[in-house]
Amino acid sequence: DIQMTQSPSTLSASVGDRVTITCRASQSISSWLAWYQQKPGKAPNLLIYKASSLESGVPSRFSGSGSGTEFTLTISSLQPDDFATYYCQQYNGSPWTFGQGTKVEIK
Amino acid sequence: QVQLVQSGAEVKKPGASVKVSCKASGYTFTSYDINWVRQATGQGLEWMGWMNPNSGNTGYAQKFQGRVTMTRNTSISTAYMELSSLRSEDTAVYYCARGSKTPRRMDVWGKGTTVTVSS
Repeated sequence: DIQMTQSPSTLSASVGDRVTITCRASQSISSWLAWYQQKPGKAPNLLIYKASSLESGVPSRFSGSGSGTEFTLTISSLQPDDFATYYCQQYNGSPWTFGQGTKVEIK
Repeated sequence: QVQLVQSGAEVKKPGASVKVSCKASGYTFTSYDINWVRQATGQGLEWMGWMNPNSGNTGYAQKFQGRVTMTRNTSISTAYMELSSLRSEDTAVYYCARGSKTPRRMDVWGKGTTVTVSS
């Protein structure tokens, strides 16, 4: 199975901060990577697919980059609604696998 | 609007089976895959497999092979996920998610179904 490793596990930040989350794959996944936001008690919400494509309706402060084994999710200016847990997910090979999550907390 | 509506919470005993439903609306059910993802309390996300509602073809994560069955009823636009030989470690929220092909992504998710396995 392809292992996905996110860092950091927890991130403390303030409103207005630029935030970057990293996701590393144990082998190349080309650009088959998605990012999700999840809030407590809710289903995941797709933010980014194919590493850098913004899902319709998602604010432009979210962006993704990378290919191969190294990927990043950037929030350009953190908003109050962005405090949540973020997951990366590869869909290059079966089984599709997720990172362990990064919790973005209020500083 | 496009949505996936899942069945209600279930409580099962160890060794039993559970069948969760996922009713699609707002789009052509047979044009998109359905994936199933689960999440134990306080844990991360785990992909279980996919089903093509048009053909009925399925693909399961090896971890669940032999225990999971994904089916559908196209006349009512509903997908099902059945998990057998339940154990306490199967206690989780189970989500269905629409799998778009062009471009590939899981873009619409159900709200989740809580399955509790307890004696």
